[in-house]
Amino acid sequence: QKEVEQNSGPLSVPEGAIASLNCTYSDRVSQSFFWYRQYSGKSPELIMSIYSNGDKEDGRFTAQLNKASQYVSLLIRDSQPSDSATYLCSRGGGADGLTFGKGTHLIIQP
Amino acid sequence: SAVISQKPSRDICQRGTSLTIQCQVDSQVTMMFWYRQQPGQSLTLIATANQGSEATYESGFVIDKFPISRPNLTFSTLTVSNMSPEDSSIYLCSAAGLAGTYNEQFFGPGTRLTVL
Repeated sequence: QKEVEQNSGPLSVPEGAIASLNCTYSDRVSQSFFWYRQYSGKSPELIMSIYSNGDKEDGRFTAQLNKASQYVSLLIRDSQPSDSATYLCSRGGGADGLTFGKGTHLIIQP
Repeated sequence: SAVISQKPSRDICQRGTSLTIQCQVDSQVTMMFWYRQQPGQSLTLIATANQGSEATYESGFVIDKFPISRPNLTFSTLTVSNMSPEDSSIYLCSAAGLAGTYNEQFFGPGTRLTVL
C-alpha cells in the first residue's frame, strides 16, 4: 500500500506567521511529491512539486523532502487570509496516478 | 498550464441511470486520469485513461461500472453506470505530460454528481 498521511487539522495560524504542513508516506519507491491547494467547492490547484531531497522554494512557498525519513513538508511564509484552504499532499505522477493524503485544513486568522 | 474543461459541471440523476462525463484539454497530453472525491474526503484515483487501449483501473473500480474512453490525446470520457446514491461525488479528470512540465498533473474543474 502506498499511503500518504496528513494531519487533517484544522491548523490555525495568525496572519503573517509561517504555516507548516507535514506529510509522511509509506513506501520507499516514491520519487515525486506534489502539494495541491483546494478551496471549498473548487478543484485542486498544483502549488509545488518536489523530486529530490532538500528544499525547493517558490515565492512564499517552500517544499521540503527527506526520502530517508519518508517525510515531505510545505512551509508558507507571511501567511495571508487567502491561504486559508485545504492542502493536499500527494505522491506518484508521470505514468502513475496520484495517491493523496486526506488533506490539512489551514485557517489563517487575520 | 493547459486549460482543462469538463462537461457537465453538475448533474442530478436518478438511481439506475448512467451519466457520461467529458474531459477536454486544449493541448495534447501524454496522460489523462479520472478521480473521485466523495463529500468531505480526499481524491481517489479511479483509472488511467489510455489513448487507443483499455483504461487501467485501480483496486475497487471496474470497467463495467466506470467505462472510460480516450479516443485521442486531448479528450476522454468517464461513464458512471447504473448509479446509486453512493456514487454521489465530485468526479475530476486530470492531465499530465503537458509541454514544459515533468510529472505534474493538472485538474479540470470537476463534475458534481448527485444521485437520488
